[in-house]
Amino acid sequence: EADIYQTPRYLVIGTGKKITLECSQTMGHDKMYWYQQDPGMELHLIHYSYGVNSTEKGDLSSESTVSRIRTEHFPLTLESARPSHTSQYLCASTGANYGYTFGSGTRLTVV
Amino acid sequence: QKEVEQNSGPLSVPEGAIASLNCTYSDRGSQSFFWYRQYSGKSPELIMSIYSNGDKEDGRFTAQLNKASQYVSLLIRDSQPSDSATYLCAVSASSNTGKLIFGQGTTLQVKP
Repeated sequence: EADIYQTPRYLVIGTGKKITLECSQTMGHDKMYWYQQDPGMELHLIHYSYGVNSTEKGDLSSESTVSRIRTEHFPLTLESARPSHTSQYLCASTGANYGYTFGSGTRLTVV
Repeated sequence: QKEVEQNSGPLSVPEGAIASLNCTYSDRGSQSFFWYRQYSGKSPELIMSIYSNGDKEDGRFTAQLNKASQYVSLLIRDSQPSDSATYLCAVSASSNTGKLIFGQGTTLQVKP
């Protein structure tokens, strides 16, 4: 079954550590997105990609970086995690103008 | 003014009633409109899409679109406690990039 996968589901990590949040989709979608969402708050777009080797920053400034070396894979990296990075990170993809499919999300806590 | 606006609520309705959720958008060039349901702590789930003016029905859900008024709504008939969630309105950017602009969401509470 085609789907979009995020790992890990939950992550607790110490300040200053480097982390990578994984996102993969099996639908062959060109367009992929990363959103950040605090509990009870709005979705904020932090990165997006329209295809391999294409990445753009979103509307919310983020210290994270992304890469898109393969169509199916869109990882997000934080070089040095801080408590202010504590949030839920949601990955989404779309193939056309049919709306996004979201992954299950990664809930990150930096202590 | 936000690009996509929703009343954050909470909207409280009794079980069995009709819940009406509203959304306005600013980009007249937008062509595609979506409603997502998000349970607390979960990721958004697409429940309705609508592309042309009028009504679109799917089970207990009806989406309504009025492009002239830049207004899209979601009606939930026979509301159930399991419908209690945050409903996100999303509108495509007119640039046809596939990018969606999300509203802040309306929290719906269905009371037994």
